[in-house]
Amino acid sequence: QVQLVESGGGAVQPGRSLRLSCIASGFTFSSAAMHWVRQAPGKGLEWVAVISYDDGSQKYYGDSVRGRFTISRDNSENSLFLQMNSLRIEDTGVYYCARDDFGRSSVAVPGYFGCWGRGTLVTVSS
Amino acid sequence: EIVLTQSPGTLALSPGERATLSCRASQGVSSNYLAWYQQKPGQASRLLIYGASTRATGIPDRFSGSGSGTDFTLTIGRLEPEDFAVYYCQQYANSPLTFGQGTRLEIK
Repeated sequence: QVQLVESGGGAVQPGRSLRLSCIASGFTFSSAAMHWVRQAPGKGLEWVAVISYDDGSQKYYGDSVRGRFTISRDNSENSLFLQMNSLRIEDTGVYYCARDDFGRSSVAVPGYFGCWGRGTLVTVSS
Repeated sequence: EIVLTQSPGTLALSPGERATLSCRASQGVSSNYLAWYQQKPGQASRLLIYGASTRATGIPDRFSGSGSGTDFTLTIGRLEPEDFAVYYCQQYANSPLTFGQGTRLEIK
């Protein structure tokens, strides 16, 4: 069945780095744009980043993470990544990977999320 | 940025009742590019509705979406015990993608 499984979360001090991974199965990963979405404790959902389906030629970020986070993918391994640098306390939360099901050729304006993982928790604290 | 405001924040109903959840946008959502999701603790979130009114694959027909422009509604026809969860709307008309703050549907 279609599945997304995130990993790599943990506790880290402010200013440090962390790399999240997401393994996809049950669908043609190389045909889907992919996203990271996060949720601070007790709060709502916030879109973080999107990457195009191909070799990741298109990448876009939310204002709060642009310049600090980098999204990437390895289609040969059905994997999505999020490199998070210069972490801040406000980056704390559960990070979800999600598949874009809208199918626009450009992800400059991405779509909606047809499939989600269960998330991985990132805690930034001194 | 399109700001989405959901109401009510919490809705307490009994199984078998009808639920009506609202999502209002700060500006028009072109082409009705609005989706609804269900979130339960420890589970993957689930897409319910996209394009404001199209049910996603496998979603029961007690879930329906309506609206256009700035006002959208998710209706759950007869609540089942498994429907008690948090519901989010999301617009994909403009970048950045934005979500409403959520409506918690709880058992009365």
